[in-house]
Amino acid sequence: EAQLVESGGGLVQPGGSLRLSCAASGFSFSSTFMSWVRQAPGKGLEGVANINQDGSEKYYVDSVKGRFSISRDNSKNSLDLQMDSLRAEDTAVYHCVKYNASTGWLDPWGQGTRVTVSS
Amino acid sequence: DIQMTQSPSSVSASVGDRVTITCRASQSISRWLTWYQQKPGKVPKVLISAASSLQSGVPSRFSGGGHGTDFILTISSLQPEDFATYYCQQAFSYPLTFGGGTKVEIK
Repeated sequence: EAQLVESGGGLVQPGGSLRLSCAASGFSFSSTFMSWVRQAPGKGLEGVANINQDGSEKYYVDSVKGRFSISRDNSKNSLDLQMDSLRAEDTAVYHCVKYNASTGWLDPWGQGTRVTVSS
Repeated sequence: DIQMTQSPSSVSASVGDRVTITCRASQSISRWLTWYQQKPGKVPKVLISAASSLQSGVPSRFSGGGHGTDFILTISSLQPEDFATYYCQQAFSYPLTFGGGTKVEIK
């Protein structure tokens, strides 16, 4: 069974940095497109970043371009999200999600790691 | 980026009611649309993919339709376990984007 476990969240001051990690198991990670999706408190879902199977293609929502960087290590079955120049509006639970490119759906989802940007 | 607009943002309904949620894309996405259900404290669950294909295990009271820019999710007879928030998501182009969500509440 596919499983995704995020780590690295926490409290950070505005302008600070944080690196999230996701450990994947139970599926062929190196063959899978991956995504980070976030959900601010009481708000909806927002796709943050996507990365293709070998890491050569990366896509970001406009609000994080130039500040966030998605990467992966297929030898370790891990996905990362480097977040720099953090803002209060980046406060959210960040989910690592497996993306099925042939069907278009996101599943499964990790339980998420909470990021709070506050002074 | 493709913008996804859902309506209504919330709906109050009773058990047994028919509920319809719409999702509009800012450009044509063919049938690259997925519907999710999210309950409080839980991660989203896939209901429908490719605009109208019901996921295994999802009750047949859920149905989806549409093509291009306009899509619809219908719950034919609302059940107590269906009170949740529903999201649409496009997979036509990157980055993947979601609608703002529709909260289905008890009337």
